[in-house]
Amino acid sequence: SFDLTQAPSVSVSPGQTASITCSGHNLGYKYVSWYQQKPGQSPVLVIYQNTRRPSGIPERFSGSNSGNTATLTITGTQAIDEADYYCQAWDAKTVFGGGTRVTVL
Amino acid sequence: DVQLLESGGDLVQPGGSLRLSCAASEFTFQYYAMTWVRQAPGKGLEWVSSITDNGGSTYYADSVKGRFTISRDNSRNTLHLQMTSLRAEDSAVYFCARVIPDWSGYHSSWGRGTLVTVSS
Repeated sequence: SFDLTQAPSVSVSPGQTASITCSGHNLGYKYVSWYQQKPGQSPVLVIYQNTRRPSGIPERFSGSNSGNTATLTITGTQAIDEADYYCQAWDAKTVFGGGTRVTVL
Repeated sequence: DVQLLESGGDLVQPGGSLRLSCAASEFTFQYYAMTWVRQAPGKGLEWVSSITDNGGSTYYADSVKGRFTISRDNSRNTLHLQMTSLRAEDSAVYFCARVIPDWSGYHSSWGRGTLVTVSS
């Protein structure tokens, strides 16, 4: 079955760059979306179709996808970006990664 | 702004049934595929089921196939999830989400979720 693998956690200092990766077989041939979820809240779409940013999402969020790895990058990370981040793709069914907790130290 | 409001979550005994609903507003519901995604306490997101815009096709995760039924009423802008033979592992917050451009796409908007607890 098609699986998406994410590191459980990432730590970043305020103002630095956070890179969150998502790995899957031939993932570069698929569209990847990214969701941010803060405690007690529902997920929010932050990147879709690999690189596109929905209206209202800050420019510091960007995405890329190549080979077997998709990456969500937060440039100039702020304390408000502390959250869980999930990647999602489709391979005969919708699949979510296990999520990465981003901690801003 | 797109509005999605789930309801119907409850405490139910193992083997029981429950029907979840998702009321949609502020967009043309009949034009969009819809999805149910669940999240067990302290766990990640798990896709449950999807339905096409006209309801003609439905899709299920292996974990719920044969037990859950997704449906929609485009005249009432409402999405449903009928859940039967519930198990402890079905306990989760259930979110409905709008999917673009079709059921294989991205989840552009999410509801706040409704909690289902399966326990004796």
